[in-house]
Amino acid sequence: GAVVSQHPSWVICKSGTSVKIECRSLDFQATTMFWYRQFPKQSLMLMATSNEGSKATYEQGVEKDKFLINHASLTLSTLTVTSAHPEDSSFYICSAWTGNQPQHFGDGTRLSIL
Amino acid sequence: RKEVEQDPGPFNVPEGATVAFNCTYSNSASQSFFWYRQDCRKEPKLLMSVYSSGNEDGRFTAQLNRASQYISLLIRDSKLSDSATYLCVAYNNNDMRFGAGTRLTVKP
Repeated sequence: GAVVSQHPSWVICKSGTSVKIECRSLDFQATTMFWYRQFPKQSLMLMATSNEGSKATYEQGVEKDKFLINHASLTLSTLTVTSAHPEDSSFYICSAWTGNQPQHFGDGTRLSIL
Repeated sequence: RKEVEQDPGPFNVPEGATVAFNCTYSNSASQSFFWYRQDCRKEPKLLMSVYSSGNEDGRFTAQLNRASQYISLLIRDSKLSDSATYLCVAYNNNDMRFGAGTRLTVKP
């Protein structure tokens, strides 16, 4: 089946650091990739929708200058959390969409900002 | 009001019990619906799609009621391994909305 690789799986870093998370579709081309965030005991919240070769569409309340998304190819999207602070600590999950439903999820990245 | 609402639970049931989850959605234009299962600290995994005619996969039955805008998931003969959070999802044109999830714990 379709595989989405997300890296790194766990990040611990100091406040003020920028962190890049990669999301790759390994055996298919993803026209669209989604980035989600999940706080403890809460549901997934969509942060942004990323289409290859175009600017990401951010959900209301998500700062585009803080969460930089790049979707340079049909198999790779990156999310950079710039100048991360403790309140950015969360579980970030990407998913890839081929045009056939449903989406395929990465394993997630657990981000802890000290 | 959230676009997709679920009873957060927790549902604590004994092994072998039958348990049902409901989920309501507010966007009448939603086209497709899914149930995902999420284990603690893991990514969601697709459990099953939900069709208007209702569909069954082993011990799991999903149903959709478009008129009332809700979907349901029924788990029969629950197993310890069914313990997880179950997320319902409504999908419309590249827009996927998750419910908050219903936590199920199956006890021996």
